Amino acid sequence: NAGVTQTPKFRILKIGQSMTLQCAQDMNHNYMYWYRQDPGMGLKLIYYSVGAGITDKGEVPNGYNVSRSTTEDFPLRLELAAPSQTSVYFCASSYSMGNTIYFGEGSWLTVV
Amino acid sequence: DQQVKQNSPSLSVQEGRISILNCDYTNSMFDYFLWYKKYPAEGPTFLISISSIKDKNEDGRFTVFLNKSAKHLSLHIVPSQPGDSAVYFCAASARGGTSYGKLTFGQGTILTVHP
Repeated sequence: NAGVTQTPKFRILKIGQSMTLQCAQDMNHNYMYWYRQDPGMGLKLIYYSVGAGITDKGEVPNGYNVSRSTTEDFPLRLELAAPSQTSVYFCASSYSMGNTIYFGEGSWLTVV
Repeated sequence: DQQVKQNSPSLSVQEGRISILNCDYTNSMFDYFLWYKKYPAEGPTFLISISSIKDKNEDGRFTVFLNKSAKHLSLHIVPSQPGDSAVYFCAASARGGTSYGKLTFGQGTILTVHP
C-alpha cells in the first residue's frame, strides 16, 4: 500500500550543488507531477509527465529538470542549487489528467 | 496572478460546530474543484471534489458548495472534530485548453478545532 514514495525526506544542500529527488509510484498511474510549496503559499507545479518518455514544464520549471524513463519513476533534478529553491517538494500521480491526484509525503530541501 | 485564492489564512472553531472554509477563483475555464487536507510533515490528501455541473457534493461530514456565478466555493465540515485540525487547500483545474488537468492551488487555510 505504498502509493507515492519520495526520497530523501530531508536534505541540506550548499549553493551550487546538484541533487536528485526520487519519486516512485506503484499505482500504475500514467500522470506524474512535481510541486513545490513555499511557506504560506499554495503548491506550484514544477514539471509534469503524461507517460513514460513525455515531460512538460509547469508553472515554475526554472532550475529543475525531470525525466520519465518508466511509468513508475519520475525523478526531479536540481542543477546548481540556489537559496530560492529552499522549499518542500511534493511528487504526485494520477490515473488521468483532471482527476484526483495523490501526493507523496514530501521532501524538505534547504539550500545554504 | 493568483487564480485561486483562500483569503482566510486561519480559522478557529469549537468542536461540534460547523467549519466553513472559503475559496475564490478568477479563471472562468476552471470546471473541476478539489479540496485537499494536509497534516504537518505529510503530503496533501484528497478530501472531496466537485464538478462545475453540480453546485453541491456531500461526503459524510464534508460538503462542498460551488457558486459558479460568484466564482466561489466553500467547504463545510459538520460537526468539526479535533482531528480535522490541518491545513486545507482548495484546488482547481480546467479540463479543456492548454492547462488541461493541471491543478492550481490556493494558499491554504489553517483550521484549528478546539476540544
